[in-house]
Amino acid sequence: DGGITQSPKYLFRKEGQNVTLSCEQNLNHDAMYWYRQDPGQGLRLIYYSQIVNDFQKGDIAEGYSVSREKKESFPLTVTSAQKNPTAFYLCASSPNGHSGANVLTFGAGSRLTVL
Amino acid sequence: RKEVEQDPGPFNVPEGATVAFNCTYSNSASQSFFWYRQDCRKEPKLLMSVYSSGNEDGRFTAQLNRASQYISLLIRDSKLSDSATYLCVVNMRLGGRGGADGLTFGKGTHLIIQP
Repeated sequence: DGGITQSPKYLFRKEGQNVTLSCEQNLNHDAMYWYRQDPGQGLRLIYYSQIVNDFQKGDIAEGYSVSREKKESFPLTVTSAQKNPTAFYLCASSPNGHSGANVLTFGAGSRLTVL
Repeated sequence: RKEVEQDPGPFNVPEGATVAFNCTYSNSASQSFFWYRQDCRKEPKLLMSVYSSGNEDGRFTAQLNRASQYISLLIRDSKLSDSATYLCVVNMRLGGRGGADGLTFGKGTHLIIQP
């Protein structure tokens, strides 16, 4: 079955440590996205990539980094510069990055807790 | 600036009842509208797109009112399994261009169906 796989599902990190969240899709989608969800908040866009080897900052990119070396993969690194990293992180993909009507398919999410 | 607004609820509704909730958006040029469903601690999943003429999918009906800038979701004959948070999603980019990075998520409306 096609879909998006995120790992790990749960992650605990000490302050000052970087952590990388994995996102892999086998849907052959061009575009991939990372969102953050906090309790009682809407999803906020961190980074997105419409094509391999290219990515753009979203609304809250500070303290995060990404890469898009393969179409299937879009890992997110939460760096020590991110002030409030504890959150639910969602990776998503869509067929084409340039159509406003694109529907997002989400992974199951990674829940990061900073101790 | 609040771009996509939803009543957070919770809406407590008896099983079998009809429930409706709205979502207002600030950008009159928005072109793409969606309802997503999110279960507790899970990822959002597309429930339905919202078309200009309104559309129905089984027990669910979505409507768009461009003049008043809101979309609505109606659920008939509600089931216990309908309990979830319903996210309103709007493409806020002018003319709906630019891909899913132009999507803005509401904070969601929490629905509880009671037996």
